[in-house]
Amino acid sequence: GAVVSQHPSRVICKSGTSVKIECRSLDFQATTMFWYRQFPKQSLMLMATSNEGSKATYEQGVEKDKFLINHASLTLSTLTVTSAHPEDSSFYICSARDRGTGAWTKNIQYFGAGTRLSVL
Amino acid sequence: GENVEQHPSTLSVQEGDSAVIKCTYSDSASNYFPWYKQELGKRPQLIIDIRSNVGEKKDQRIAVTLNKTAKHFSLHITETQPEDSAVYFCAGTGYSSASKIIFGSGTRLSIRP
Repeated sequence: GAVVSQHPSRVICKSGTSVKIECRSLDFQATTMFWYRQFPKQSLMLMATSNEGSKATYEQGVEKDKFLINHASLTLSTLTVTSAHPEDSSFYICSARDRGTGAWTKNIQYFGAGTRLSVL
Repeated sequence: GENVEQHPSTLSVQEGDSAVIKCTYSDSASNYFPWYKQELGKRPQLIIDIRSNVGEKKDQRIAVTLNKTAKHFSLHITETQPEDSAVYFCAGTGYSSASKIIFGSGTRLSIRP
């Protein structure tokens, strides 16, 4: 299947600093990528939809100035957690949708390995 | 918007027995229902999916059924093995490439030896 690379896998930072997470589709093009947040023993909560060449669409309750998303190319989306605080500590996972050629292939999402963020 | 409910939240079965996880969805426009398996600290892995134009799909020990009228779908794992222990998530989404995938709350499946 398609591969999505997410980097870094783990980051520890001091409160007040900013952290950038990268999500790359390695062997396919993705006009749409998604960013999720997952707390321990909980489900994946969609934070925002990243659209190539346009602004991201944020879910209700997610601060767009806090979680900056940039999708500058068909293979790369970045999530920047600005002025991180301990409550931002979580597991962040991205996914990418294959632009595909068939009607049904557009549905399939491929996930990155996730980034565990710990803010001290 | 779409809402996906999943149960049970935890499930323990004897090795070799079957496991069934059930989900319901709210948006009749949803037409694609993937199931993901997530091991601790790992990424969700797609294990099987079903589209609204079919009622059942099987892949070796895993099968999924869909009842569009009732808006519910289920995952069936037969002859369970220890490596089946993980958290399983159902999800629903629409046809558009921008459609969001909405996940269920997850089921922690434990296989007893």
